[in-house]
Amino acid sequence: DADVTQTPRNRITKTGKRIMLECSQTKGHDRMYWYRQDPGLGLRLIYYSFDVKDINKGEISDGYSVSRQAQAKFSLSLESAIPNQTALYFCATSDPPEADTQYFGPGTRLTVL
Amino acid sequence: GQQLNQSPQSMFIQEGEDVSMNCTSSSIFNTWLWYKQDPGEGPVLLIALYKAGELTSNGRLTAQFGITRKDSFLNISASIPSDVGIYFCAAITSGGYQKVTFGTGTKLQVIP
Repeated sequence: DADVTQTPRNRITKTGKRIMLECSQTKGHDRMYWYRQDPGLGLRLIYYSFDVKDINKGEISDGYSVSRQAQAKFSLSLESAIPNQTALYFCATSDPPEADTQYFGPGTRLTVL
Repeated sequence: GQQLNQSPQSMFIQEGEDVSMNCTSSSIFNTWLWYKQDPGEGPVLLIALYKAGELTSNGRLTAQFGITRKDSFLNISASIPSDVGIYFCAAITSGGYQKVTFGTGTKLQVIP
């Protein structure tokens, strides 16, 4: 079984809809991250969490919110989806002292029409 | 913000050829990382570099942490079809939250 899972894997939605992407991990890591990947732009950090009570904005947090429901679960929400949020979204985990090694989920491909 | 300039953006090579790609920045970093992303999957860590000048190998892959701490290189020798994918460099500064900055990726295609 995969250590980091994401649901759904693919989602098509319409402008203005609320969308939640979910991430679960069985690695027992405290740190979790949400990234967005666009062609030619690499991976950009949306939000990160160092533990259940710690949530921090990344470089592109506008239009997104997150919830850390438990150590193993970190969800990303788009309150009112817009077309330029069409992208591939990745969840990742890491744990000190190897905080530099991030373990990524398989990704969620989101299309906003 | 910090940026990593990765080149080339894409490359087609014949099976058996060697491949080189690099990542440069105007900022100094303390850790350099190389990830590979297979189609339909998330990135997977290939090599981590922690010291300026360090040269590290992982099978047919060799990566170097530049002396200036502003760049890194990845070489793949004797490429095979399963090397196809997108290769990302990433780098980390020290102190406080160790934010990982990712490069824009090099898309590698291997012609059998």
